[in-house]
Amino acid sequence: ETGVTQTPRHLVMGMTNKKSLKCEQHLGHNAMYWYKQSAKKPLELMFVYNFKEQTENNSVPSRFSPECPNSSHLFLHLHTLQPEDSALYLCASSPQDRQGAGEQYFGPGTRLTVT
Amino acid sequence: GQNIDQPTEMTATEGAIVQINCTYQTSGFNGLFWYQQHAGEAPTFLSYNVLDGLEEKGRFSSFLSRSKGYSYLLLKELQMKDSASYLCAVMDSNYQLIWGAGTKLIIKP
Repeated sequence: ETGVTQTPRHLVMGMTNKKSLKCEQHLGHNAMYWYKQSAKKPLELMFVYNFKEQTENNSVPSRFSPECPNSSHLFLHLHTLQPEDSALYLCASSPQDRQGAGEQYFGPGTRLTVT
Repeated sequence: GQNIDQPTEMTATEGAIVQINCTYQTSGFNGLFWYQQHAGEAPTFLSYNVLDGLEEKGRFSSFLSRSKGYSYLLLKELQMKDSASYLCAVMDSNYQLIWGAGTKLIIKP
């Protein structure tokens, strides 16, 4: 049990659909992250939130829209995705960003397939 | 650009020792991290090095040479459950983790 949960675990959506991924951490951390993991590629950092404020947006297309209502919850809203967006989407948290961001706790991920 | 290199795949025998290398070129350095990821599961933190030398934690050890931009993860007394991908990551000057693509370790009986 890592203390970070993600729902759904699997998602299949068409290119015209709108869906949301949810992440919740029970560790009392202040920083939360969204990553994209594709086969045989490095983890790609998408967004960073620290104390509910977005501190990083790594040139992610606008069809991905994050939301962080509080330090425990993080959402990733998806709309008009492309087949190349199919991947494992991982949420992570850490006690703080910057110096404390190296030891991250990951959720199990959402396996997304865009058809 | 920033780059982390590690072998794509390695095979080792149960009970043996294996060393997984990682070389990096990043803008700044604020520590090197190793994570383990079993197939279909989340990455989990294994070790952290910020100073040169060896950090030992049970059967796992991690070494860092900042001057060479080099680290390795050493796994001793290999067990079948050690079959997983091992991810090397470096924290750059902006305190962002730069990740390698991971090394898939296959353990054979």
